[in-house]
Amino acid sequence: ETGVTQSPTHLIKTRGQQVTLRCSSQSGHNTVSWYQQALGQGPQFIFQYYREEENGRGNFPPRFSGLQFPNYSSELNVNALELDDSALYLCASSRTVEMNTEAFFGQGTRLTVV
Amino acid sequence: AQRVTQPEKLLSVFKGAPVELKCNYSYSGSPELFWYVQYSRQRLQLLLRHISRESIKGFTADLNKGETSFHLKKPFAQEEDSAMYYCALSGSNAGNMLTFGGGTRLMVKP
Repeated sequence: ETGVTQSPTHLIKTRGQQVTLRCSSQSGHNTVSWYQQALGQGPQFIFQYYREEENGRGNFPPRFSGLQFPNYSSELNVNALELDDSALYLCASSRTVEMNTEAFFGQGTRLTVV
Repeated sequence: AQRVTQPEKLLSVFKGAPVELKCNYSYSGSPELFWYVQYSRQRLQLLLRHISRESIKGFTADLNKGETSFHLKKPFAQEEDSAMYYCALSGSNAGNMLTFGGGTRLMVKP
């Protein structure tokens, strides 16, 4: 069983640029959630995709957008990057959207905006 | 709004000592509570969840609805318990979208 994989592991972008982060969900999982983790803080929920539809969104501006594909992999896109977008971005997949379902996390993508 | 608070950023204990990592939450409905752990150079992973009511690696957590707490406890800490611990909540109207606390780093000294 393949776990959650994220790419790239690290990247550096300039303020104002756009970035796309990718996530492959674990086999058998149809739900993907994205989290932003700033240094020294807990992960903060960005949004969730369930069967290719956005299923919920946290307190993030519209320049954070996403997609889920038929194979349940997912992308996180961030436009007009700001310095405060520098963080670890975590992807998590789960079997369902039920509230007690375990989330399986990837290793994360470290984004630095300069 | 839902919120999870972990008041201690760092907790340092000696091997064999009892451990309690505190977690308080606010949520207007009936939440599901979790503890996630991140060991050095590993990914975030589930340690235990309230609904399972099980002990994992000697850790237990009791949901106290009156005090809105879900503290994580272990009677005798081991060096391999050193890690970052996050308390998290999911709500009945939010599926398994998680609200995390800020985390507590547990250091178990030999």
